[in-house]
Amino acid sequence: DVKVTQSSRYLVKRTGEKVFLECVQDMDHENMFWYRQDPGLGLRLIYFSYDVKMKEKGDIPEGYSVSREKKERFSLILESASTNQTSMYLCASTPTGNTIYFGEGSWLTVV
Amino acid sequence: QKEVEQNSGPLSVPEGAIASLNCTYSDRGSQSFFWYRQYSGKSPELIMSIYSNGDKEDGRFTAQLNKASQYVSLLIRDSQPSDSATYLCAGSSGGSYIPTFGRGTSLIVHP
Repeated sequence: DVKVTQSSRYLVKRTGEKVFLECVQDMDHENMFWYRQDPGLGLRLIYFSYDVKMKEKGDIPEGYSVSREKKERFSLILESASTNQTSMYLCASTPTGNTIYFGEGSWLTVV
Repeated sequence: QKEVEQNSGPLSVPEGAIASLNCTYSDRGSQSFFWYRQYSGKSPELIMSIYSNGDKEDGRFTAQLNKASQYVSLLIRDSQPSDSATYLCAGSSGGSYIPTFGRGTSLIVHP
């Protein structure tokens, strides 16, 4: 079975803090994604990566950055957390054009 | 702009009935379609994928694809209260690894 692991499940951070969300997949997928999901807004793509060290902006990249130094690991970084970044963050991976697999999600609260 | 549209619901059906969930998409180049189930507070999990026109059955679930009408549906037979969840439809085109998600339809199966 494909496994996408988000190590931090529940976080509470203060406004202005730097936040790292880590994601690891074990199926050698080329493509990895970070989404956020908010009630009524569905899944919104923040960033995606199609290869090591490659990244592309999604629909809502402002306030976020990403890092992909190894194929299996894709990190989302909030440089200075704000309350409007309180959300559920979902990491996902996929081989090209195929089923997308999600991690369990990271619930971030910024106070 | 690629779009996948779903009625947000909630769709309420009695236990044992057939639940019909519908999805339309705007990108005629879309070739792969996916249905995900998402329980409250959990991440989406894949139920079915469909690539060809027609029906695809898996247990109580049947996915239907009509590319001419740009329409995808999911039928759930003998609905159970445990089927109560939000169902996400997604499509991706052959040359893209980035799926487009609908906002989801909330299904409630009442005893």
